[in-house]
Amino acid sequence: IAGITQAPTSQILAAGRRMTLRCTQDMRHNAMYWYRQDLGLGLRLIHYSNTAGTTGKGEVPDGYSVSRANTDDFPLTLASAVPSQTSVYFCASSAGVYNEQFFGPGTRLTVL
Amino acid sequence: AQSVTQPDIHITVSEGASLELRCNYSYGATPYLFWYVQSPGQGLQLLLKYFSGDTLVQGIKGFEAEFKRSQSSFNLRKPSVHWSDAAEYFCAAVPEDTGRRALTFGSGTRLQVQP
Repeated sequence: IAGITQAPTSQILAAGRRMTLRCTQDMRHNAMYWYRQDLGLGLRLIHYSNTAGTTGKGEVPDGYSVSRANTDDFPLTLASAVPSQTSVYFCASSAGVYNEQFFGPGTRLTVL
Repeated sequence: AQSVTQPDIHITVSEGASLELRCNYSYGATPYLFWYVQSPGQGLQLLLKYFSGDTLVQGIKGFEAEFKRSQSSFNLRKPSVHWSDAAEYFCAAVPEDTGRRALTFGSGTRLQVQP
């Protein structure tokens, strides 16, 4: 079934540890995004990629990095996790400039 | 600053009653507008979108939204709410004049449906 997969589903992580959240889409979409969702704040953009090989910073990029080596994968890395990065993380993709964004099921991350 | 505002954090309606969820945007030019729904523990699903043309937009699950340029609003409506509509609803926008295509979301409105 076409769509977006994210892994892991949930994770508890000690502060200071490095963590990579995985995102894969099989729709051949050009654009991909990472959002974090926090209560009362909606979803906020962390990083985005308009096409393979390019990335850009979103609204809340600090403490996160991304790469886009190919069309399908868009991993999000926390180099040294902090408790304020406790959140639900959603990956999304879209075919073109203003097309519908499709969302993955999310990763619930807790940093202790 | 460009933003999307959903003034109502939480709304409760009775099953069968009509529903209107408010959304206002603050952009220099008319952005592209979206409504998404998130059921508990789930990802987001697109209900409808407005790019241009007819200001009344029909979506899935019986929802519609009306774009009003004069009020900078894009309110979501449903004539008769079903218990399965209980969820969180997010209004979102993409500015027309930016190379960054990501959505800016409102903070969401949680809908509770009473029997």
